[in-house]
Amino acid sequence: KNQVEQSPQSLIILEGKNCTLQCNYTVSPFSNLRWYKQDTGRGPVSLTIMTFSENTKSNGRYTATLDADTKQSSLHITASQLSDSASYICVVSQILTGGGNKLTFGTGTQLKVEL
Amino acid sequence: GAVVSQHPSRVICKSGTSVKIECRSLDFQATTMFWYRQFPKKSLMLMATSNEGSKATYEQGVEKDKFLINHASLTLSTLTVTSAHPEDSSFYICSARGRGHLSNQPQHFGDGTRLSIL
Repeated sequence: KNQVEQSPQSLIILEGKNCTLQCNYTVSPFSNLRWYKQDTGRGPVSLTIMTFSENTKSNGRYTATLDADTKQSSLHITASQLSDSASYICVVSQILTGGGNKLTFGTGTQLKVEL
Repeated sequence: GAVVSQHPSRVICKSGTSVKIECRSLDFQATTMFWYRQFPKKSLMLMATSNEGSKATYEQGVEKDKFLINHASLTLSTLTVTSAHPEDSSFYICSARGRGHLSNQPQHFGDGTRLSIL
C-alpha cells in the first residue's frame, strides 16, 4: 500500500531556531516528492520539488533532502520565523500505468514557532 | 506565479441545501483539475479528477451523484455538493495542473472552502 508518513506529528520551537521534519514513503514507482506549506484555513503552497536523481533542493530558508534508496526525505528550516508556523506536508507522486501520476499526501507536521 | 482562485472561502447553510464551489485558474490553462477534502488534522484526500471537456473520475467511495463536478472550460471547474448534510461539513480544496510534462508539472492549490452544514 502506498503510504507517506511524517514525523514528528507536531513541533514547537523558539523563533530563530532550526528544525528538521521527516518524511518516509512507500510509494512506487516513484516520480517526485514535494514539500508543501499549508497555513491554517488556506490551501497548500509548494516549497520544493525533487525527482529521483536529486538529493538536495533549497528554497530560501527551506532545504529539502531526498534519499531515494531508503525512501526518506527531510525538510530543514533554518532561522525560523513566527510566520513559519503552519502544517508542512510531504507529497509523493506515483507514476501510473498509462502515463498519468497520482499524489499521496502525508498527514503533515504541525509546526509552531514561538517567541 | 500560477494562481488558483477558489470561491467561496466559507459557506454555512442548512441541511438539504445544494452548495456550489468554484475553482478558477487565473493565469494558466488548467487541463486537469482535482478536488480534495480535508478533515481537521488529516491529510488531503482526493475526491475526483476532471479533465476539461470530459467526465470526472471519482475515487473509490466518493458518490458522483452527491458531488457533481463540471469542468466546462480550461479555467473553471465547479464542485456541487447536492443536498448537503452535516457529515458533508469539511474543508474542500481544489487544485489545477496545466499543460506540460506530467511528472514535473506542479499542482497549484486554491485556498479552500470551509463548508459547514447545520
